[in-house]
Amino acid sequence: EDQVTQSPEALRLQEGESSSLNCSYTVSGLRGLFWYRQDPGKGPEFLFTLYSAGEEKEKERLKATLTKKESFLHITAPKPEDSATYLCAVQASGTYKYIFGTGTRLKVLA
Amino acid sequence: DSGVTQTPKHLITATGQRVTLRCSPRSGDLSVYWYQQSLDQGLQFLIHYYNGEERAKGNILERFSAQQFPDLHSELNLSSLELGDSALYFCASSVGSWESKNIQYFGAGTRLSVL
Repeated sequence: EDQVTQSPEALRLQEGESSSLNCSYTVSGLRGLFWYRQDPGKGPEFLFTLYSAGEEKEKERLKATLTKKESFLHITAPKPEDSATYLCAVQASGTYKYIFGTGTRLKVLA
Repeated sequence: DSGVTQTPKHLITATGQRVTLRCSPRSGDLSVYWYQQSLDQGLQFLIHYYNGEERAKGNILERFSAQQFPDLHSELNLSSLELGDSALYFCASSVGSWESKNIQYFGAGTRLSVL
């Protein structure tokens, strides 16, 4: 069964303290992996899409990487405004489904 | 701002009632997707329309239905509402259908409270 697992569920960081969020996936064939940011009461905001193992994407303090089994979202020197829930979604080949993980709730303290 | 517009933002209704949620996709997008997000669950895919036609159906209850109109806006109809239907309902849009490599852009959601 296609599955997406995100860890940790919650993460508290001090401002400037770098860390990584994990998204492990099990699909028959990967069409694409997507990272979104969601603020409370708002819709997910698209961050990155990755299509093949070894691919990396970067945007400001965020960098997403992809292997055959998992993706990491690296946050370098985070700021309080980076506090949000980060969602990972996977689309398997030959299927319409976007399978979302339950997210990592990130809190960055000033 | 993603460019996807959802109305209303909030909806409070009673059990047994029927409501309609509306979504306008980004300019140029032909696909619309509906999702449900409950507190204890992640985003659950409900249904997908492309250029007016239903293309995929997920875990959508028989009490729920949707359509996409010629102007590409979409409506999600929820009937015989139950307490458990209380959730955030999101609409997303993309340029192509699910068979293409698409990025889905999400609206701000409609918060439904069933009392």
